Amino acid sequence: EAAVTQSPRNKVAVTGGKVTLSCNQTNNHNNMYWYRQDTGHGLRLIHYSYGAGSTEKGDIPDGYKASRPSQENFSLILELATPSQTSVYFCASGDAFNWGVAETLYFGSGTRLTVL
Amino acid sequence: AQKVTQTQTSISVMEKTTVTMDCVYETQDSSYFLFWYKQTASGEIVFLIRQDSYKKENATVGHYSLNFQKPKSSIGLIITATQIEDSAVYFCATGSFNKLTFGAGTRLAVCP
Repeated sequence: EAAVTQSPRNKVAVTGGKVTLSCNQTNNHNNMYWYRQDTGHGLRLIHYSYGAGSTEKGDIPDGYKASRPSQENFSLILELATPSQTSVYFCASGDAFNWGVAETLYFGSGTRLTVL
Repeated sequence: AQKVTQTQTSISVMEKTTVTMDCVYETQDSSYFLFWYKQTASGEIVFLIRQDSYKKENATVGHYSLNFQKPKSSIGLIITATQIEDSAVYFCATGSFNKLTFGAGTRLAVCP
């Protein structure tokens, strides 16, 4: 069964601190995504990756970096965390290989980040 | 840019009835896909059903079906014979390869 695991589940950080959110998938999917969920906004795409070594900016990339060191792992990095980045973050992997192909996303359980 | 609008913030229905959740989308793509995802109370997000824009027939999976009205850029989710466990937040999304845009979600409460 498809599996996407996020860590930590909960994180409290201080303003200006560095935060790293981790995601691991055992689906062998090429594509991985980071979304944030805020009330009234649904899920918004921060960064995504086509495969190991690649990262692309999504719709709201400012203040975030991403790293994809391997097929299985995709990290989201907040170099200087701010209270506006308090949110729930979801990682997902996708099974499409080409443009024009529908892609089903498999989501992790989410990380609740609070920046004080 | 893509945009997805779900105007119903929350809906409450009685168990075993039928409910329709609305979704209107905007896209510049000539060929696109429309999705519905469900987020349970535990926070888990799972894929439910998909409609391909080039298909005229409405998709159906189990007790979920879609009402696709392409001229109106509308993709409604219909749940028949609702069950308590259908209580969740439902997200509509549109896009193609690796650029999905989600709506704000509709919270469904199914009451016994």
